[in-house]
Amino acid sequence: QVQLQQSGPGLVKPSQTLSLTCAISGDSVSSNSAAWNWIRQSPSRGLEWLGRTYYRSKWYNDYAVSVKSPITINPDTSKNQFSLRLISVTPEDTAVYYCAREGVTLVRGLIISSYGMDVWGQGTTVTVSS
Amino acid sequence: QSVLTQPPSASGTPGQRVTISCSGSSSNIGSNTVNWYQQLPGTAPKLLIYSNYQRPSGVPDRLSGSKSGTSASLAISGLQYEDEADYYCAAWDDSLNGVAFGGGTKLTVL
Repeated sequence: QVQLQQSGPGLVKPSQTLSLTCAISGDSVSSNSAAWNWIRQSPSRGLEWLGRTYYRSKWYNDYAVSVKSPITINPDTSKNQFSLRLISVTPEDTAVYYCAREGVTLVRGLIISSYGMDVWGQGTTVTVSS
Repeated sequence: QSVLTQPPSASGTPGQRVTISCSGSSSNIGSNTVNWYQQLPGTAPKLLIYSNYQRPSGVPDRLSGSKSGTSASLAISGLQYEDEADYYCAAWDDSLNGVAFGGGTKLTVL
């Protein structure tokens, strides 16, 4: 079955870059029927979707407009994984971070149907503090 | 404030039927499908319902989802102690161009 394994530091200093990786087993990051998401959760903001990456002849990304820190989500086909980078973080970015697979139907690079996030990583608690 | 509105809490006794509501707008629930997630303490969310009412394999049929206009509901019948958890609705929002989550409903089985 599909599994997602997260890795990355649990403590990041303010103004530095938060980097997390999600390794995929049982599926491919280049799948034409999946999108690969990052979500975070904190007591003050609840569940907050950060963005996703997906492939249909080329790579596409969608990012949340609500995130103040610049964000990038990149696939790594050689390692079958994808990553999250938040640049210049603040204490507001303290949260539990999750990666998740989303089943989708893609037509010419447009997601026309979503079937929910059916596989999740184990979560990584990230604290932004000096 | 979350884009999708859920009651913060719900409760019921074993065997009862409980409904959790999720209210949105024309840019999210009104034009896109709704998914529901269950989260047990200390664990990642689990997909319960997708595309408004579809159940992934392994999810019991005593859980059901529905949608009407800009609102959706999750119903749990034959309530069990193991159903005690947080429940979240989610939908794509065309105005935000992103996934919107509800604030979550904490279900207590009395």
